[in-house]
Amino acid sequence: QVHLVESGGGVVQPGRSLRLSCAASGFTFSGYAMHWVRQAPGKGLEWVTLISDDGANQHYADSVKGRFSISRDNSNNTLYLQMNSLRPEDTAIYYCARGSGAYRSTSCYNWGQGILVTVSS
Amino acid sequence: DIVMTQSPRTLPGTPGEPASISCRSSQSLLHSNGYNYVDWYLQKPGQSPKLLIYMGSNRPSGVPDRFRGSGSGTDFTLKISRVEADDVGVYYCMQALQIPQTFGQGTKLEIK
Repeated sequence: QVHLVESGGGVVQPGRSLRLSCAASGFTFSGYAMHWVRQAPGKGLEWVTLISDDGANQHYADSVKGRFSISRDNSNNTLYLQMNSLRPEDTAIYYCARGSGAYRSTSCYNWGQGILVTVSS
Repeated sequence: DIVMTQSPRTLPGTPGEPASISCRSSQSLLHSNGYNYVDWYLQKPGQSPKLLIYMGSNRPSGVPDRFRGSGSGTDFTLKISRVEADDVGVYYCMQALQIPQTFGQGTKLEIK
């Protein structure tokens, strides 16, 4: 059974950094692309970033490009999201999701429970 | 970016009756391989989203066959053949054809 557990969230001041982790189990982690999707309080879903199965390719939403960085450690079945220069509008629940394939054009097939990031002074 | 527009934004559902949600994309989601790269997700209250339909009309294992996705190009529909009380939540369409992948605004299903 696929299991995704996010960690690393919390309250951070504007301009500071935070790194989220997503521990994966129940599937061959190195065989699938991975996504981060976020949801601001009371709002809809926003796709944030995607990384290919081998980690060689990454793509970002314009809203986070140049500030966020996605990476993965296939030996430890863990996905990361490094968030720099955080802004109040980055306040959201962040979900990691397993892609349905190895790279692009993949559905968010399985989702974690999400982790809250609050950017506030 | 591809814009996904859902309607209605709120859907009153009656148990046992059908319901449908429309999703329109600003560009065709039909790939040269013949598949439409549109998904449907359900986020029940207080839960993470869950994939209901992928690539236009495919149901992951465990999703009841009451849920059906259809459409092609720019017009897509999610149909629930018989609404149940457990179907309440917000339904989202998402296009996976182009980066950035984009979601619709969501449709909230409420039970009458």
